[in-house]
Amino acid sequence: DTGVSQNPRHKITKRGQNVTFRCDPISEHNRLYWYRQTLGQGPEFLTYFQNEAQLEKSRLLSDRFSAERPKGSFSTLEIQRTEQGDSAMYLCASRDSLNTEAFFGQGTRLTVV
Amino acid sequence: AQSVSQHNHHVILSEAASLELGCNYSYGGTVNLFWYVQYPGQHLQLLLKYFSGDPLVKGIKGFEAEFIKSKFSFNLRKPSVQWSDTAEYFCAVNSGGGADGLTFGKGTHLIIQP
Repeated sequence: DTGVSQNPRHKITKRGQNVTFRCDPISEHNRLYWYRQTLGQGPEFLTYFQNEAQLEKSRLLSDRFSAERPKGSFSTLEIQRTEQGDSAMYLCASRDSLNTEAFFGQGTRLTVV
Repeated sequence: AQSVSQHNHHVILSEAASLELGCNYSYGGTVNLFWYVQYPGQHLQLLLKYFSGDPLVKGIKGFEAEFIKSKFSFNLRKPSVQWSDTAEYFCAVNSGGGADGLTFGKGTHLIIQP
């Protein structure tokens, strides 16, 4: 499968724990995006990378959230001290500079108990 | 800030009925417009997109959408739906030359009854 890959697909964690998600974009795509989707809502933009540079962050991305893309390939999204309100589907998307179509992964569903 | 409004959260149709899903956006500048679809258990997939040119755009699976700038609308249409069109449909926008992330509407859950 050469699409966007996200791991894990599901994560259940206790409140206060840290979690990390991984996204592997389509290999030639230099732009990578993170979104969050809660029940009954559309995806909400969190942050975006061009290669390894994080160029844009939404105000939704609190201090407990950090994203990295160290070598301009895969990316990680870490949530520290998780709260129940962090329960959501976390989506990753990628695209190249020339094509405005973003390709989405299947997401990581986080449940904080 | 950009926002997207989808008028219908749930739509139920019979097979062969015609479909129109409403989408309005608020942004005064140049925009790129998208419709994404999410079939049950699958990832978001692009149905169609508009950047410039002909305001009537055709996408996959017989879908089309019309950009009406004066109404800030980008409604999705299909003349005859099939049971396999059952899915969640999202309208999205981003500014043509600025911020890169997409702003999505809340989605429309479409159920096609056989």
